[in-house]
Amino acid sequence: AQSVTQPDIHITVSEGASLELRCNYSYGATPYLFWYVQSPGQGLQLLLKYFSGDTLVQGIKGFEAEFKRSQSSFNLRKPSVHWSDAAEYFCAVGATNDYKLSFGAGTTVTVRA
Amino acid sequence: KAGVTQTPRYLIKTRGQQVTLSCSPISGHRSVSWYQQTPGQGLQFLFEYFSETQRNKGNFPGRFSGRQFSNSRSEMNVSTLELGDSALYLCASSLATVLDEQYFGPGTRLTVT
Repeated sequence: AQSVTQPDIHITVSEGASLELRCNYSYGATPYLFWYVQSPGQGLQLLLKYFSGDTLVQGIKGFEAEFKRSQSSFNLRKPSVHWSDAAEYFCAVGATNDYKLSFGAGTTVTVRA
Repeated sequence: KAGVTQTPRYLIKTRGQQVTLSCSPISGHRSVSWYQQTPGQGLQFLFEYFSETQRNKGNFPGRFSGRQFSNSRSEMNVSTLELGDSALYLCASSLATVLDEQYFGPGTRLTVT
Protein backbone atom coordinates (compact mmCIF):
# COMPACT_ATOMS: atom_id res chain seq x y z
CA ALA A 1 0.00 0.00 0.00
CA GLN A 2 1.18 3.48 -0.74
CA SER A 3 2.04 5.78 2.15
CA VAL A 4 3.52 9.18 2.77
CA THR A 5 5.57 10.40 5.71
CA GLN A 6 6.21 14.00 6.57
CA PRO A 7 8.70 13.85 9.43
CA ASP A 8 8.33 17.47 10.53
CA ILE A 9 5.08 18.40 12.22
CA HIS A 10 5.95 22.07 12.64
CA ILE A 11 8.66 24.31 11.21
CA THR A 12 9.36 27.92 12.11
CA VAL A 13 11.32 30.01 9.66
CA SER A 14 12.25 33.68 9.47
CA GLU A 15 10.90 35.77 6.66
CA GLY A 16 13.42 35.83 3.84
CA ALA A 17 15.07 32.59 4.91
CA SER A 18 14.98 29.39 2.90
CA LEU A 19 12.52 26.62 3.59
CA GLU A 20 12.69 22.88 3.01
CA LEU A 21 9.88 20.48 3.85
CA ARG A 22 10.56 16.77 3.84
CA CYS A 23 8.42 14.07 2.32
CA ASN A 24 9.14 10.35 2.07
CA TYR A 25 6.89 7.95 0.24
CA SER A 26 6.46 4.23 0.03
CA TYR A 27 5.14 2.76 -3.18
CA GLY A 28 6.09 -0.15 -5.39
CA ALA A 29 5.71 1.46 -8.78
CA THR A 30 6.52 4.93 -9.99
CA PRO A 31 4.20 7.20 -8.08
CA TYR A 32 2.57 10.48 -8.85
CA LEU A 33 3.74 12.93 -6.19
CA PHE A 34 2.08 16.16 -5.14
CA TRP A 35 2.47 19.05 -2.77
CA TYR A 36 -0.66 20.86 -1.64
CA VAL A 37 -0.91 23.91 0.62
CA GLN A 38 -3.76 24.76 2.97
CA SER A 39 -3.80 28.35 4.15
CA PRO A 40 -5.83 29.27 7.24
CA GLY A 41 -9.51 29.23 6.43
CA GLN A 42 -8.93 28.24 2.83
CA GLY A 43 -9.13 25.05 0.84
CA LEU A 44 -6.16 23.07 -0.36
CA GLN A 45 -4.31 24.31 -3.41
CA LEU A 46 -1.92 22.37 -5.60
CA LEU A 47 1.63 23.72 -5.53
CA LEU A 48 3.22 21.21 -7.90
CA LYS A 49 3.22 17.61 -9.01
CA TYR A 50 5.65 15.06 -10.42
CA PHE A 51 5.28 11.89 -12.41
CA SER A 52 8.18 11.61 -14.78
CA GLY A 53 10.81 13.66 -16.54
CA ASP A 54 13.01 16.25 -14.92
CA THR A 55 13.35 15.39 -11.24
CA LEU A 56 13.33 19.06 -10.26
CA VAL A 57 9.79 20.39 -10.54
CA GLN A 58 8.81 24.03 -10.47
CA GLY A 59 5.53 25.05 -8.94
CA ILE A 60 3.50 28.10 -8.13
CA LYS A 61 4.41 30.77 -5.57
CA GLY A 62 8.14 30.19 -6.10
CA PHE A 63 8.17 26.62 -4.77
CA GLU A 64 10.11 23.72 -6.23
CA ALA A 65 10.47 20.07 -5.33
CA GLU A 66 13.05 17.44 -6.12
CA PHE A 67 12.25 13.79 -6.69
CA LYS A 68 14.95 11.40 -5.48
CA ARG A 69 14.07 7.83 -6.28
CA SER A 70 17.03 6.37 -4.36
CA GLN A 71 15.85 8.09 -1.19
CA SER A 72 12.10 7.76 -1.87
CA SER A 73 11.84 11.46 -1.19
CA PHE A 74 10.08 14.43 -2.70
CA ASN A 75 11.18 17.45 -0.67
CA LEU A 76 9.68 20.88 -1.16
CA ARG A 77 11.84 24.00 -1.15
CA LYS A 78 11.55 27.74 -1.38
CA PRO A 79 14.63 29.99 -1.47
CA SER A 80 13.09 32.96 0.34
CA VAL A 81 9.96 32.68 2.46
CA HIS A 82 7.30 35.37 2.64
CA TRP A 83 4.93 35.90 5.55
CA SER A 84 2.09 34.73 3.32
CA ASP A 85 3.71 31.28 3.10
CA ALA A 86 2.56 30.52 6.63
CA ALA A 87 0.26 27.55 6.10
CA GLU A 88 0.01 23.80 6.34
CA TYR A 89 1.71 21.81 3.62
CA PHE A 90 0.73 18.34 2.55
CA CYS A 91 2.64 15.84 0.48
CA ALA A 92 0.51 13.28 -1.36
CA VAL A 93 1.07 10.18 -3.47
CA GLY A 94 -1.12 8.56 -6.08
CA ALA A 95 -0.88 5.92 -8.76
CA THR A 96 -2.39 5.19 -12.14
CA ASN A 97 -5.69 3.34 -11.97
CA ASP A 98 -5.81 3.62 -8.18
CA TYR A 99 -8.14 6.64 -8.14
CA LYS A 100 -7.08 7.81 -4.70
CA LEU A 101 -4.51 10.09 -3.14
CA SER A 102 -2.81 9.30 0.14
CA PHE A 103 -1.79 12.39 2.08
CA GLY A 104 0.94 12.84 4.63
CA ALA A 105 0.13 14.21 8.07
CA GLY A 106 1.13 17.71 7.03
CA THR A 107 3.76 20.21 8.12
CA THR A 108 2.70 23.51 9.63
CA VAL A 109 4.95 26.39 8.67
CA THR A 110 5.16 29.47 10.85
CA VAL A 111 6.92 32.54 9.46
CA ARG A 112 8.39 34.99 11.95
CA ALA A 113 9.21 38.56 11.11
CA LYS B 1 -15.01 30.08 -13.41
CA ALA B 2 -16.79 29.15 -10.21
CA GLY B 3 -14.89 26.96 -7.78
CA VAL B 4 -15.99 23.88 -5.94
CA THR B 5 -18.88 24.59 -3.65
CA GLN B 6 -19.92 22.60 -0.62
CA THR B 7 -23.09 22.87 1.36
CA PRO B 8 -23.72 23.30 4.14
CA ARG B 9 -20.56 24.90 5.46
CA TYR B 10 -21.31 24.09 9.08
CA LEU B 11 -23.45 21.43 10.63
CA ILE B 12 -24.19 20.28 14.15
CA LYS B 13 -25.77 16.87 14.61
CA THR B 14 -26.50 14.52 17.47
CA ARG B 15 -25.13 11.00 17.85
CA GLY B 16 -27.24 8.48 16.01
CA GLN B 17 -28.53 10.94 13.42
CA GLN B 18 -27.60 10.88 9.77
CA VAL B 19 -26.27 13.65 7.60
CA THR B 20 -25.97 14.42 3.90
CA LEU B 21 -23.30 16.72 2.52
CA SER B 22 -23.33 18.15 -0.96
CA CYS B 23 -20.58 19.06 -3.40
CA SER B 24 -20.82 20.88 -6.72
CA PRO B 25 -17.67 20.46 -8.81
CA ILE B 26 -16.15 22.89 -11.23
CA SER B 27 -17.97 22.88 -14.54
CA GLY B 28 -16.48 20.24 -16.82
CA HIS B 29 -14.89 18.26 -14.02
CA ARG B 30 -16.09 14.69 -13.88
CA SER B 31 -14.04 13.28 -11.01
CA VAL B 32 -15.15 14.08 -7.48
CA SER B 33 -13.32 12.92 -4.38
CA TRP B 34 -14.18 13.22 -0.72
CA TYR B 35 -11.78 13.48 2.20
CA GLN B 36 -12.15 13.60 5.96
CA GLN B 37 -9.78 15.94 7.79
CA THR B 38 -9.25 15.67 11.53
CA PRO B 39 -6.44 16.89 13.80
CA GLY B 40 -5.60 13.33 14.84
CA GLN B 41 -5.87 11.43 11.57
CA GLY B 42 -5.11 14.18 9.07
CA LEU B 43 -6.52 13.98 5.55
CA GLN B 44 -8.05 10.64 4.80
CA PHE B 45 -9.52 9.56 1.49
CA LEU B 46 -13.18 8.57 1.61
CA PHE B 47 -14.16 7.82 -1.98
CA GLU B 48 -13.87 8.93 -5.58
CA TYR B 49 -16.55 9.10 -8.23
CA PHE B 50 -16.44 9.42 -11.98
CA SER B 51 -19.45 9.30 -14.29
CA GLU B 52 -21.70 8.25 -11.41
CA THR B 53 -19.44 5.29 -10.57
CA GLN B 54 -17.44 4.86 -7.40
CA ARG B 55 -13.94 3.89 -8.48
CA ASN B 56 -12.30 3.63 -5.09
CA LYS B 57 -13.22 3.77 -1.44
CA GLY B 58 -11.06 4.46 1.56
CA ASN B 59 -10.92 2.50 4.77
CA PHE B 60 -14.13 3.76 6.34
CA PRO B 61 -17.11 1.83 7.71
CA GLY B 62 -20.20 1.27 5.63
CA ARG B 63 -21.92 4.11 7.44
CA PHE B 64 -20.11 6.38 5.02
CA SER B 65 -21.58 6.34 1.55
CA GLY B 66 -21.77 8.59 -1.43
CA ARG B 67 -23.11 9.03 -4.89
CA GLN B 68 -22.63 11.13 -7.96
CA PHE B 69 -25.30 12.47 -10.24
CA SER B 70 -25.28 12.81 -14.01
CA ASN B 71 -24.27 16.48 -13.73
CA SER B 72 -21.23 15.39 -11.66
CA ARG B 73 -22.60 16.85 -8.45
CA SER B 74 -21.93 14.55 -5.53
CA GLU B 75 -23.33 13.83 -2.12
CA MET B 76 -21.96 11.91 0.79
CA ASN B 77 -24.03 10.47 3.57
CA VAL B 78 -23.05 9.40 7.05
CA SER B 79 -25.57 7.35 8.95
CA THR B 80 -25.71 6.63 12.68
CA LEU B 81 -23.33 9.45 13.51
CA GLU B 82 -20.65 8.93 16.15
CA LEU B 83 -18.68 11.53 18.08
CA GLY B 84 -15.59 10.52 16.11
CA ASP B 85 -17.23 11.60 12.88
CA SER B 86 -16.73 15.22 13.86
CA ALA B 87 -14.42 16.55 11.19
CA LEU B 88 -13.95 18.81 8.22
CA TYR B 89 -15.22 17.05 5.12
CA LEU B 90 -13.55 18.19 1.95
CA CYS B 91 -14.67 17.66 -1.58
CA ALA B 92 -12.34 17.98 -4.54
CA SER B 93 -12.99 17.91 -8.26
CA SER B 94 -10.71 17.30 -11.21
CA LEU B 95 -11.04 16.73 -14.92
CA ALA B 96 -10.79 12.97 -14.96
CA THR B 97 -8.75 11.47 -12.12
CA VAL B 98 -7.22 12.42 -8.77
CA LEU B 99 -3.90 12.52 -10.62
CA ASP B 100 -5.05 15.65 -12.42
CA GLU B 101 -4.96 18.87 -10.44
CA GLN B 102 -7.63 18.62 -7.80
CA TYR B 103 -9.56 21.72 -6.81
CA PHE B 104 -10.80 21.62 -3.26
CA GLY B 105 -13.89 23.16 -1.81
CA PRO B 106 -13.91 25.04 1.50
CA GLY B 107 -15.27 22.02 3.32
CA THR B 108 -18.20 21.23 5.58
CA ARG B 109 -17.44 21.39 9.27
CA LEU B 110 -19.47 18.64 10.96
CA THR B 111 -19.79 18.59 14.72
CA VAL B 112 -21.42 15.60 16.37
CA THR B 113 -22.61 16.07 19.94
